[in-house]
Amino acid sequence: DAGVTQSPTHLIKTRGQHVTLRCSPISGHKSVSWYQQVLGQGPQFIFQYYEKEERGRGNFPDRFSARQFPNYSSELNVNALLLGDSALYLCASSPTRQGSGYGYTFGSGTRLTVV
Amino acid sequence: GQNIDQPTEMTATEGAIVQINCTYQTSGFNGLFWYQQHAGEAPTFLSYNVLDGLEEKGRFSSFLSRSKGYSYLLLKELQMKDSASYLCAVDHFEGGSYIPTFGRGTSLIVHP
Repeated sequence: DAGVTQSPTHLIKTRGQHVTLRCSPISGHKSVSWYQQVLGQGPQFIFQYYEKEERGRGNFPDRFSARQFPNYSSELNVNALLLGDSALYLCASSPTRQGSGYGYTFGSGTRLTVV
Repeated sequence: GQNIDQPTEMTATEGAIVQINCTYQTSGFNGLFWYQQHAGEAPTFLSYNVLDGLEEKGRFSSFLSRSKGYSYLLLKELQMKDSASYLCAVDHFEGGSYIPTFGRGTSLIVHP
């Protein structure tokens, strides 16, 4: 079975540009969450979507937005990129709204570099 | 806000036992997770505790005390491949949403 897939794996963008990251959850998983992980730190929660509705939002500026499609895949959009947005962006899926005993299954991430 | 504290780095010997502690302060507690993350890879789920006590899964065990805001991950019979970062994450319910907050991770180095 395919795990959580993310695309692209690596990306280089210029300051001020816009970026779209994509995530396909495990089949049957209805919850998708997005995280930003800076080197040496734990993942920081950005958004959670469940059944195509935003169910949680972390402490990130409005430049960050996301959506979930009818097939439960998701996109994370970041506008007006800053150097500080350089990080590993992780997507995680879960069969339920909360991780509980299943935990969250993470994809391999998109490494974004802003220059 | 949420506050999660875990040691930055630990070292241990192959075959030994190591305990990685995690303390947290949160409201609306809804469970605590442990994840393993090898360098350059995604985190992988190890355990989930929502009630007090010990959960055992093979070589790995996780303990939770909600009244003390404390958890630990116990790794037995350490192997070289256990060298990784171990992330403690607390799930809390806030404003109608389940929000997971991760600690900075504990880098475990296993040496021969």
